[in-house]
Amino acid sequence: DMKVTQMPRYLIKRMGENVLLECGQDMSHETMYWYRQDPGLGLQLIYISYDVDSNSEGDIPKGYRVSRKKREHFSLILDSAKTNQTSVYFCASSLRDNYAEQFFGPGTRLTVL
Amino acid sequence: QQQVRQSPQSLTVWEGETAILNCSYENSAFDYFPWYQQFPGEGPALLISILSVSNKKEDGRFTIFFNKREKKLSLHIADSQPGDSATYFCAASPPSSFSKLVFGQGTSLSVVP
Repeated sequence: DMKVTQMPRYLIKRMGENVLLECGQDMSHETMYWYRQDPGLGLQLIYISYDVDSNSEGDIPKGYRVSRKKREHFSLILDSAKTNQTSVYFCASSLRDNYAEQFFGPGTRLTVL
Repeated sequence: QQQVRQSPQSLTVWEGETAILNCSYENSAFDYFPWYQQFPGEGPALLISILSVSNKKEDGRFTIFFNKREKKLSLHIADSQPGDSATYFCAASPPSSFSKLVFGQGTSLSVVP
């Protein structure tokens, strides 16, 4: 069963707290992504990972960092969260040679108070 | 800078009508255009895609029309059904994008019975 999972689904944090969002996939995809989705802005790429320990900044990396120690897991970390990081975060994965077909997780709704 | 633009932002059609969702882009190097469908509370999923060498792509009730000269494309949903109510994202990719897609801001479609 091809699937991308995200944990947690909902999270409320206070400004200045650290946040860890986790993503897993069972398709052995080499490439994984973190996006954020805000009303009227569509999907914005935060980070992309081409494989274990091979990560690259996306379009809006400021305030975020990532970790990929296993091919099936990709974490997004917010050190000292800010209120403007309130958003819905999506993880996705794809085969290296078919990046146009990205498989998305169900999303994590993060609220930073 | 919004490289991929979608219009309208929201669209309401009656059941059975054809819904037309528009997309335009700025970068003439873009050569692959996937459309993603997103239902509330879920992540986006690939619906249909087209390469810039084609001017039309059909898949059941969904058809993409592509005009390379004008840098425009549209998604036509024939015989719209209430189950088609979702947000639709147009995306684009250039040949050397390092696995990145650029997403538009989305069109929210409501199909009224």
